[in-house]
Amino acid sequence: SAVISQKPSRDICQRGTSLTIQCQVDSQVTMMFWYRQQPGQSLTLIATANQGSEATYESGFVIDKFPISRPNLTFSTLTVSNMSPEDSSIYLCSVDRTGKETQYFGPGTRLLVL
Amino acid sequence: RKEVEQDPGPFNVPEGATVAFNCTYSNSASQSFFWYRQDCRKEPKLLMSVYSSGNEDGRFTAQLNRASQYISLLIRDSKLSDSATYLCVVNIGNTGNQFYFGTGTSLTVIP
Repeated sequence: SAVISQKPSRDICQRGTSLTIQCQVDSQVTMMFWYRQQPGQSLTLIATANQGSEATYESGFVIDKFPISRPNLTFSTLTVSNMSPEDSSIYLCSVDRTGKETQYFGPGTRLLVL
Repeated sequence: RKEVEQDPGPFNVPEGATVAFNCTYSNSASQSFFWYRQDCRKEPKLLMSVYSSGNEDGRFTAQLNRASQYISLLIRDSKLSDSATYLCVVNIGNTGNQFYFGTGTSLTVIP
């Protein structure tokens, strides 16, 4: 399985500010994904981040609110912009190792917006 | 209609019991199926893949019924350490970007 790290592990932010979450993988991967898990709910895919192209966003998520970078095959960032309390959630990155058809998750970033 | 539906539980069972979880999916074109385990305040971790022929890994058995579009997970001889939330996951596409997660079934194994 891939070793995936995320920074920060948690943060408390004021509404109206932005937070950038980093995801680092120990090996090159083609696809990286960003999910959100709100309290008591399951995971919802925000977007797919591919190296060398723009991220693909799922319905209900837009680039202005959740800009994503994917500068190389081992790293990605997700920014939560102009935060509101409704953005309080756990944000998880994951990778799909080519040929494995399974997803491995980072430890998550716990975000609380006041 | 949700892509993946699970009974949220909670299931509270004594140590040594056998417990089964079911999950249904709506897209008949779904390609692959998984059970993930999520401990409190942790990320989901792959427990096992689910194959049409059924598969077993120690005390855990997973079954897939494509005709009825449901997946099951059976845990035998439950241990305290099995307490967690179990997520049913369905991959609709051939790539990794069409994963749908159930809301999870909560299991607590009681001493």
